[in-house]
Amino acid sequence: DIVMTQSPDSLAVSLGERATIKCKSSQSVLYSPNNKNYLAWYQQKPGQPPKLLISWASTRESGVPERFSGSGSGTDFTLTISSLQAEDVAVYYCHQYYATPLFTFGPGTKVDIK
Amino acid sequence: EVQLVESGGGLVQPGRSLRLACATSGFTLGDYAVSWVRQAPGKGLEWLGFIRTKDHGGTTGYAASVKGRFSISRDESKSIAYLQMNSLKTEDTAVYYCARGSSSYYEGLLDYWGRGTLVTVSS
Repeated sequence: DIVMTQSPDSLAVSLGERATIKCKSSQSVLYSPNNKNYLAWYQQKPGQPPKLLISWASTRESGVPERFSGSGSGTDFTLTISSLQAEDVAVYYCHQYYATPLFTFGPGTKVDIK
Repeated sequence: EVQLVESGGGLVQPGRSLRLACATSGFTLGDYAVSWVRQAPGKGLEWLGFIRTKDHGGTTGYAASVKGRFSISRDESKSIAYLQMNSLKTEDTAVYYCARGSSSYYEGLLDYWGRGTLVTVSS
């Protein structure tokens, strides 16, 4: 199975400051024939289901604010919130959908306001 | 509008069985994979398994943690996917979500989620 790790476990950032979350996969999730990274980021607010924020490592879903961006390739990925807003307080999960049928999530990173 | 609504959760004794349902609307169930994901209290997300699209034969796949105990099926005429859970353990206590795979090619990319149903396994 592909094991996903995230760092840090939690972070507290001042409003308007940058938040950076790392995700690492135990194997590459880059599919060479189409040059796509099968890596997504989800946001989960308390009492709500996860929401898909970013697919293919860097493609923002429709309606997701531009302050959210994803980067990375192969085994190392980053989610960046460029200017943290109060409504961004949530847990963020990375997720690999490369290894059909054994998809896996990272353990999550909790983002709070400092 | 795409919607998924889980039902069937509740309190169940260890060793018993429970079947969860995921009622879908806004899309043709057989054209999309449906995954089940759970979240134990205060914990992270755990992908459990999925049922694939008709193009992929409607086959199923499961995480090692539930393989042999859990099974997924669907009734396309009712637009409902099911999660059958047998030999339940206290550690199966969680909120169970169903989620849609975004396309036949990218079945693990989960674009729409239900709100979840709580399963509590306790004597």
